[in-house]
Amino acid sequence: AQKVTQAQTEISVVEKEDVTLDCVYETRDTTYYLFWYKQPPSGELVFLIRRNSFDEQNEISGRYSWNFQKSTSSFNFTITASQVVDSAVYFCALSENNDYKLSFGAGTTVTVRA
Amino acid sequence: DTAVSQTPKYLVTQMGNDKSIKCEQNLGHDTMYWYKQDSKKFLKIMFSYNNKELIINETVPNRFSPKSPDKAHLNLHINSLELGDSAVYFCASSRPAGGPYEQYFGPGTRLTVT
Repeated sequence: AQKVTQAQTEISVVEKEDVTLDCVYETRDTTYYLFWYKQPPSGELVFLIRRNSFDEQNEISGRYSWNFQKSTSSFNFTITASQVVDSAVYFCALSENNDYKLSFGAGTTVTVRA
Repeated sequence: DTAVSQTPKYLVTQMGNDKSIKCEQNLGHDTMYWYKQDSKKFLKIMFSYNNKELIINETVPNRFSPKSPDKAHLNLHINSLELGDSAVYFCASSRPAGGPYEQYFGPGTRLTVT
C-alpha cells in the first residue's frame, strides 16, 4: 500500500503565483519523519526539509513554507511568489520509527512559466 | 567539494552484460543507500548499509549485489542486465541511528540497457 500520496501529478503556474503541493501519508507509528525533496530538470535530488511527528509547528524558509497537520495526516508544501527556477519535481517522503528507508510519493511536477 | 559522488553518470550497455556503479561520500556518514528511479520518476529503496553492514534489502532480484568496502563507499554490481533494469540509480547517505536523518543524494547514474 502506498504510504505517501501526492495526488497532484502536475501543476502549472505563471511566475509570481503561489503554488501548494499536497502530501498525505499513512503510518501506524507514533514516531515518524516527513521529508520534502526537489528534483530539478538537471536530475539531482535536493533535500528541502525534515520534520518529526512530534513537531507540528509550521516552518517557513524564504519563499518556502510547510504545513504539517497530524489530524489529517498531511504535510503540505507552499511556494510563495513562484519563480521559473522552482520548476522541478517535488517529492514528499516518509520514514517510520527506526526505519532508515524513505518511502517516496509519486512526485508532483511543477512548471512555472515566465 | 562533492558530498556524494557516483560514477559513471551514464552507462549504456547490452542485455546480459555485468556492470558496476560506484558511490562515495565524504560527509562522514555511517549509512548509505541505493535507490532506483524508474521512467515514471518513482523512487524506491533497494539497499542500505550501516557501517558496512547490510540493514535493508528490499525485494530486489539477486542479480543486484551491493558491496561496501568501507563506510564511505557503497558499490552496486548488476549481473546479467535486463531491459527492465534501465533506470536512474541514486546513491545516498545519512547520519546513523538516533532517528532517520535526511539523506543526501548523489547525482544519479542513468543506466540504459539495449
